[in-house]
Amino acid sequence: EPEVTQTPSHQVTQMGQEVILRCVPISNHLYFYWYRQILGQKVEFLVSFYNNEISEKSEIFDDQFSVERPDGSNFTLKIRSTKLEDSAMYFCASSPTSGRGETQYFGPGTRLLVL
Amino acid sequence: GNSVTQMEGPVTLSEEAFLTINCTYTATGYPSLFWYVQYPGEGLQLLLKATKADDKGSNKGFEATYRKETTSFHLEKGSVQVSDSAVYFCALSDPYNDMRFGAGTRLTVKP
Repeated sequence: EPEVTQTPSHQVTQMGQEVILRCVPISNHLYFYWYRQILGQKVEFLVSFYNNEISEKSEIFDDQFSVERPDGSNFTLKIRSTKLEDSAMYFCASSPTSGRGETQYFGPGTRLLVL
Repeated sequence: GNSVTQMEGPVTLSEEAFLTINCTYTATGYPSLFWYVQYPGEGLQLLLKATKADDKGSNKGFEATYRKETTSFHLEKGSVQVSDSAVYFCALSDPYNDMRFGAGTRLTVKP
């Protein structure tokens, strides 16, 4: 069964450094998402992406964040200058059609620790 | 805006006990409702979903019924197993808003 994959599974970085989190969505899906889960807290929506552009973003997704689909398979989340409070689990998700209201399929997550 | 409120845990049950995890929602439209499960060290997996009022989603012995009159989508299982130990998230999504999750409920099932 196809699944969403994410790399790396864990990343440790110094405050102020740039990180890129990578995702490979399910191949025939058209909508892509990033979510964040701070330890012990709820899963929070960051951004959705369709047709090579951002379709929605939350207030969390500020200028420090960017997303890109650099080729036909990868979907990346970049944090330009990490802060301590960016430490969290980051989940990528994809859905086949229309996005909203549809089932989203999640990857296993990348645990980011900012020191 | 849309929001989800679910029973916060942790919930600890003995094997074969009955499980209910409450979930209520606030939405302006007609959302789809979901339960996702997160096993230790893993990502979110779709457990079940319902897309319209009175629909019942079911999977692996878990059930939830979309109740528009009470804006609820409570998760139930008649007899839990140790392998059901996980964090359960209620979520909603509609055509006008992206997915919103509840806070998650940690379930521990003891033998």
